[in-house]
Amino acid sequence: NAGVTQTPKFRILKIGQSMTLQCTQDMNHNYMYWYRQDPGMGLKLIYYSVGAGITDKGEVPNGYNVSRSTTEDFPLRLELAAPSQTSVYFCAGGSGIGSNQPQHFGDGTRLSIL
Amino acid sequence: QKEVEQDPGPLSVPEGAIVSLNCTYSNSAFQYFMWYRQYSRKGPELLMYTYSSGNKEDGRFTAQVDKSSKYISLFIRDSQPSDSATYLCAMSTMGGSQGNLIFGKGTKLSVKP
Repeated sequence: NAGVTQTPKFRILKIGQSMTLQCTQDMNHNYMYWYRQDPGMGLKLIYYSVGAGITDKGEVPNGYNVSRSTTEDFPLRLELAAPSQTSVYFCAGGSGIGSNQPQHFGDGTRLSIL
Repeated sequence: QKEVEQDPGPLSVPEGAIVSLNCTYSNSAFQYFMWYRQYSRKGPELLMYTYSSGNKEDGRFTAQVDKSSKYISLFIRDSQPSDSATYLCAMSTMGGSQGNLIFGKGTKLSVKP
């Protein structure tokens, strides 16, 4: 049981390049989330999904896109990478707010944009 | 005023000490309160989960919530070097479909042998 798996673990991008951060979960969670964590800061929600085909914006969605074609996968897309998007990105899965089940996090993707 | 305030530390204590970590918040609609532990280069893992006010104990860890003061705490008894990590408080409002956990900045704890 792998839980939440994120790939790649590290990546360096040039300004203006695009990439997709992959996230897959095998816990059958309906809810999935993408957060970013900047140095010395808490996690901020980028996008979330309450089920396949349903996504919504979080606190800091600008510059990102997501899709949720299956329950298991929730990729995060950066179209035009900017230095401000240098961060550590965490994907999480959960049973949803209001339940007593926690969000389970992956180990993150460290992204640097130069 | 930020929605969730947490002293970033760093906090250094000797092994065996009692550690107190705290967060304050401004949104009275928060109902669910969590503490996550994050080791270096790892994702956060849930330590404690509390609904509304009160105390919850799990082994060496005790979480307290005081909604009247908008203040939550995590106590670690008999601290161990393996407790060295960053501790993040998080909270959310009740119900709805938004998966919006609001996190504190995290407190970095170091327990010295």
